[in-house]
Amino acid sequence: GALVYQYPRRTICKSGTSMRMECQAVGFQATSVAWYRQSPQKTFELIALSTVNSAIKYEQNFTQEKFPISHPNLSFSSMTVLNAYLEDRGLYLCGARTGGGQNTLYFGAGTRLSVL
Amino acid sequence: GDQVEQSPSALSLHEGTGSALRCNFTTTMRAVQWFRKNSRGSLINLFYLASGTKENGRLKSAFDSKERYSTLHIRDAQLEDSGTYFCAAPRTGGYKVVFGSGTRLLVSP
Repeated sequence: GALVYQYPRRTICKSGTSMRMECQAVGFQATSVAWYRQSPQKTFELIALSTVNSAIKYEQNFTQEKFPISHPNLSFSSMTVLNAYLEDRGLYLCGARTGGGQNTLYFGAGTRLSVL
Repeated sequence: GDQVEQSPSALSLHEGTGSALRCNFTTTMRAVQWFRKNSRGSLINLFYLASGTKENGRLKSAFDSKERYSTLHIRDAQLEDSGTYFCAAPRTGGYKVVFGSGTRLLVSP
Protein backbone atom coordinates (compact mmCIF):
# COMPACT_ATOMS: atom_id res chain seq x y z
CA GLY A 1 0.00 0.00 0.00
CA ALA A 2 0.86 3.67 -0.16
CA LEU A 3 2.76 5.03 2.79
CA VAL A 4 4.50 8.25 3.67
CA TYR A 5 7.35 8.30 6.14
CA GLN A 6 8.64 11.40 7.77
CA TYR A 7 11.83 11.74 9.75
CA PRO A 8 12.88 12.66 12.18
CA ARG A 9 9.70 12.17 14.18
CA ARG A 10 10.89 14.58 16.82
CA THR A 11 13.69 17.07 16.89
CA ILE A 12 14.97 19.89 19.04
CA CYS A 13 17.08 22.74 17.79
CA LYS A 14 18.59 25.81 19.31
CA SER A 15 17.06 29.16 18.50
CA GLY A 16 18.63 30.60 15.36
CA THR A 17 19.79 27.28 13.97
CA SER A 18 18.30 25.31 11.12
CA MET A 19 16.64 21.97 10.90
CA ARG A 20 15.94 19.74 7.92
CA MET A 21 13.08 17.28 7.74
CA GLU A 22 12.42 14.62 5.17
CA CYS A 23 9.44 12.96 3.58
CA GLN A 24 9.58 9.61 1.82
CA ALA A 25 6.78 8.15 -0.30
CA VAL A 26 6.63 4.38 -0.48
CA GLY A 27 4.42 2.39 -2.80
CA PHE A 28 3.41 5.25 -5.06
CA GLN A 29 4.83 8.14 -7.01
CA ALA A 30 4.54 11.44 -5.18
CA THR A 31 4.03 13.89 -8.02
CA SER A 32 3.00 16.56 -5.57
CA VAL A 33 4.00 17.05 -1.98
CA ALA A 34 2.46 19.56 0.40
CA TRP A 35 4.04 20.68 3.64
CA TYR A 36 1.93 21.84 6.57
CA ARG A 37 2.62 23.18 10.00
CA GLN A 38 0.46 22.89 13.06
CA SER A 39 1.53 25.44 15.60
CA PRO A 40 0.45 25.04 19.23
CA GLN A 41 -3.28 25.59 19.64
CA LYS A 42 -3.80 25.98 15.91
CA THR A 43 -4.94 23.88 12.99
CA PHE A 44 -2.73 22.88 10.11
CA GLU A 45 -1.51 25.65 7.82
CA LEU A 46 -0.32 24.92 4.33
CA ILE A 47 3.28 26.07 3.92
CA ALA A 48 3.91 25.19 0.30
CA LEU A 49 3.00 22.82 -2.46
CA SER A 50 5.70 21.18 -4.52
CA THR A 51 4.90 19.48 -7.81
CA VAL A 52 7.58 17.71 -9.79
CA ASN A 53 8.64 19.74 -12.82
CA SER A 54 6.84 22.82 -11.56
CA ALA A 55 7.80 25.74 -9.38
CA ILE A 56 7.15 25.38 -5.67
CA LYS A 57 4.21 27.49 -4.55
CA TYR A 58 4.43 29.06 -1.13
CA GLU A 59 1.44 30.25 0.80
CA GLN A 60 1.17 33.71 2.23
CA ASN A 61 3.37 34.15 5.31
CA PHE A 62 5.73 31.41 4.19
CA THR A 63 8.76 31.96 1.98
CA GLN A 64 11.41 29.97 0.22
CA GLU A 65 14.03 31.92 2.11
CA LYS A 66 12.68 30.58 5.38
CA PHE A 67 11.42 27.14 4.31
CA PRO A 68 13.44 25.93 1.34
CA ILE A 69 12.01 22.76 -0.14
CA SER A 70 13.59 20.13 -2.34
CA HIS A 71 11.56 17.65 -4.37
CA PRO A 72 14.16 15.93 -6.52
CA ASN A 73 12.22 12.83 -7.49
CA LEU A 74 8.89 11.06 -7.19
CA SER A 75 9.59 9.49 -3.83
CA PHE A 76 11.34 12.12 -1.77
CA SER A 77 10.95 15.65 -0.53
CA SER A 78 12.70 17.64 2.14
CA MET A 79 12.09 20.94 3.81
CA THR A 80 14.43 22.97 5.97
CA VAL A 81 13.39 25.43 8.64
CA LEU A 82 16.08 28.10 8.54
CA ASN A 83 16.90 30.21 11.57
CA ALA A 84 14.27 28.55 13.67
CA TYR A 85 12.70 30.52 16.49
CA LEU A 86 9.99 29.84 19.01
CA GLU A 87 7.21 30.67 16.57
CA ASP A 88 8.42 27.86 14.33
CA ARG A 89 7.59 25.23 16.92
CA GLY A 90 5.00 22.71 15.94
CA LEU A 91 4.18 19.60 14.01
CA TYR A 92 5.27 19.62 10.38
CA LEU A 93 3.21 17.36 8.20
CA CYS A 94 4.00 16.11 4.74
CA GLY A 95 1.15 15.12 2.44
CA ALA A 96 1.90 13.42 -0.86
CA ARG A 97 -0.29 12.80 -3.82
CA THR A 98 0.12 10.93 -7.03
CA GLY A 99 -1.03 12.34 -10.33
CA GLY A 100 -3.05 10.92 -13.15
CA GLY A 101 -6.40 11.93 -11.74
CA GLN A 102 -5.82 10.15 -8.45
CA ASN A 103 -6.67 12.48 -5.63
CA THR A 104 -5.81 10.39 -2.63
CA LEU A 105 -3.54 12.26 -0.27
CA TYR A 106 -1.22 10.27 1.91
CA PHE A 107 0.12 11.87 5.02
CA GLY A 108 3.14 11.11 7.07
CA ALA A 109 3.05 11.06 10.85
CA GLY A 110 4.79 14.40 11.04
CA THR A 111 7.99 15.86 12.43
CA ARG A 112 7.61 17.62 15.74
CA LEU A 113 9.97 20.55 16.07
CA SER A 114 10.85 22.07 19.40
CA VAL A 115 12.99 25.20 19.59
CA LEU A 116 15.03 26.05 22.67
CA GLY B 1 -11.95 30.88 1.09
CA ASP B 2 -12.64 27.23 1.57
CA GLN B 3 -13.26 26.30 5.13
CA VAL B 4 -13.93 23.25 7.17
CA GLU B 5 -16.01 23.56 10.29
CA GLN B 6 -15.34 20.70 12.67
CA SER B 7 -17.44 19.98 15.71
CA PRO B 8 -17.42 19.53 18.56
CA SER B 9 -14.11 21.09 19.52
CA ALA B 10 -13.93 18.90 22.61
CA LEU B 11 -15.71 15.74 23.66
CA SER B 12 -15.70 13.66 26.82
CA LEU B 13 -16.91 10.08 26.75
CA HIS B 14 -17.08 7.30 29.29
CA GLU B 15 -15.69 3.97 28.30
CA GLY B 16 -18.19 1.95 26.32
CA THR B 17 -20.19 4.88 25.06
CA GLY B 18 -20.10 6.48 21.65
CA SER B 19 -20.58 9.69 19.76
CA ALA B 20 -20.03 11.35 16.41
CA LEU B 21 -17.76 14.04 15.08
CA ARG B 22 -18.73 16.14 12.13
CA CYS B 23 -17.06 18.27 9.50
CA ASN B 24 -19.03 20.69 7.37
CA PHE B 25 -17.47 22.06 4.22
CA THR B 26 -18.20 25.44 2.70
CA THR B 27 -17.55 24.16 -0.81
CA THR B 28 -17.68 20.85 -2.60
CA MET B 29 -14.82 18.59 -1.62
CA ARG B 30 -13.71 15.62 -3.63
CA ALA B 31 -12.87 13.49 -0.65
CA VAL B 32 -12.25 13.57 3.06
CA GLN B 33 -9.63 12.06 5.27
CA TRP B 34 -9.80 11.52 9.01
CA PHE B 35 -6.83 11.36 11.36
CA ARG B 36 -6.17 10.88 15.03
CA LYS B 37 -3.29 12.57 16.74
CA ASN B 38 -2.13 10.46 19.63
CA SER B 39 -0.50 11.52 22.88
CA ARG B 40 2.94 11.38 21.28
CA GLY B 41 1.91 13.73 18.52
CA SER B 42 1.86 11.19 15.73
CA LEU B 43 -0.85 11.50 13.11
CA ILE B 44 -2.59 8.25 12.43
CA ASN B 45 -4.58 7.86 9.25
CA LEU B 46 -8.07 6.56 9.98
CA PHE B 47 -10.08 6.82 6.79
CA TYR B 48 -9.98 8.18 3.28
CA LEU B 49 -13.36 8.47 1.60
CA ALA B 50 -14.38 9.73 -1.80
CA SER B 51 -18.01 8.86 -1.10
CA GLY B 52 -20.23 6.65 1.01
CA THR B 53 -19.19 5.06 4.24
CA LYS B 54 -16.33 3.04 5.60
CA GLU B 55 -16.05 1.10 8.78
CA ASN B 56 -13.03 -0.11 10.67
CA GLY B 57 -13.57 -1.75 14.01
CA ARG B 58 -15.33 0.67 16.31
CA LEU B 59 -14.99 3.57 13.91
CA LYS B 60 -17.24 4.41 11.04
CA SER B 61 -17.04 7.35 8.69
CA ALA B 62 -19.41 8.78 6.14
CA PHE B 63 -18.92 11.40 3.47
CA ASP B 64 -21.55 13.22 1.45
CA SER B 65 -19.92 15.48 -1.11
CA LYS B 66 -23.19 16.93 -2.32
CA GLU B 67 -24.39 17.82 1.16
CA ARG B 68 -20.87 18.94 2.07
CA TYR B 69 -20.26 17.06 5.26
CA SER B 70 -18.49 14.10 6.75
CA THR B 71 -18.93 12.30 10.02
CA LEU B 72 -16.81 10.04 12.16
CA HIS B 73 -18.68 7.76 14.55
CA ILE B 74 -16.99 6.15 17.51
CA ARG B 75 -18.74 3.36 19.35
CA ASP B 76 -17.74 1.51 22.50
CA ALA B 77 -15.06 4.09 23.21
CA GLN B 78 -11.87 2.89 24.88
CA LEU B 79 -9.27 4.80 26.83
CA GLU B 80 -6.79 4.51 23.98
CA ASP B 81 -9.19 6.37 21.69
CA SER B 82 -8.33 9.58 23.49
CA GLY B 83 -6.61 12.12 21.30
CA THR B 84 -7.34 14.85 18.84
CA TYR B 85 -9.22 13.97 15.69
CA PHE B 86 -8.94 15.94 12.47
CA CYS B 87 -10.73 15.86 9.19
CA ALA B 88 -8.98 17.08 6.07
CA ALA B 89 -10.27 17.54 2.56
CA PRO B 90 -8.57 18.25 -0.75
CA ARG B 91 -10.28 20.99 -2.69
CA THR B 92 -11.94 19.91 -5.89
CA GLY B 93 -9.73 20.64 -8.84
CA GLY B 94 -6.80 21.67 -6.71
CA TYR B 95 -4.07 20.31 -4.53
CA LYS B 96 -4.66 22.39 -1.49
CA VAL B 97 -5.93 20.51 1.50
CA VAL B 98 -7.96 22.19 4.17
CA PHE B 99 -8.04 20.86 7.70
CA GLY B 100 -10.66 21.04 10.35
CA SER B 101 -9.69 22.61 13.65
CA GLY B 102 -9.77 19.29 15.46
CA THR B 103 -11.84 17.57 18.11
CA ARG B 104 -10.15 16.77 21.39
CA LEU B 105 -11.59 13.51 22.67
CA LEU B 106 -11.09 12.33 26.21
CA VAL B 107 -12.29 8.88 27.17
CA SER B 108 -12.50 8.24 30.86
CA PRO B 109 -13.17 5.09 32.92
